[in-house]
Amino acid sequence: EIVLTQSPGTLSLSPGERATLSCRASQSVSSNYLAWYQQKPGQAPRLLIYAASSRATGIPDRFSGSGSGTDFTLTISRLEPEDFAVYYCQQYGSSPLTFGGGTKVEIK
Amino acid sequence: QVQLVESGGGVVQPGGSLRLSCAASGFTFSSYGMHWVRQAPGKGLEWVAFMRYDGSDKYYTDSVKGRFTISRDNSKNTLYLQMNSLRAEDTAVYYCAKGVPNPVAGTSYFQHWGQGTLVTVSS
Repeated sequence: EIVLTQSPGTLSLSPGERATLSCRASQSVSSNYLAWYQQKPGQAPRLLIYAASSRATGIPDRFSGSGSGTDFTLTISRLEPEDFAVYYCQQYGSSPLTFGGGTKVEIK
Repeated sequence: QVQLVESGGGVVQPGGSLRLSCAASGFTFSSYGMHWVRQAPGKGLEWVAFMRYDGSDKYYTDSVKGRFTISRDNSKNTLYLQMNSLRAEDTAVYYCAKGVPNPVAGTSYFQHWGQGTLVTVSS
């Protein structure tokens, strides 16, 4: 089973700042099959990024994904008020499918 | 647009059973693999089970093997999760999620999610 470790656990930033979230895998993720999701309180997760760097339909271009192998990054170039949420990474290169523990992006 | 609507959650005693349903619309249900993902209160996401588009293959996370059964009725555009021998640690919001075709069997990212249904296992 691939274990995904997200850091930091909490990121305190102001609107307009850049957010950099990390997701590290315990072993290489096959074909860089790594996705990112955003979840707000009381809501279902929303797909942001798949295949490490491809934006899902309707996702603003301030969200970008990068990385390969065991190290992946989600970057939000300029935080908007609606971006404060919890973010999860997920690998789908092997079974069982696994998620990281999440990074909370909170308003400073 | 894609809609996934879960139902069937509730309060059940340890050792009890519950069946969740997920009604799908807005896409050709019989062409897509479907998943169940859960989230314990205040915790992260955990993949639970997957069924191939035609029902020919199923995968489960280890903690539910032998207790949970995923199934689907393509004529009704509905996904199910039969949960038996429920434990306190199964308490969670259960989401159904639409998968996408992937070369690795049983794997996918989750393109669309339902709103979830809460299962509480407590005496």
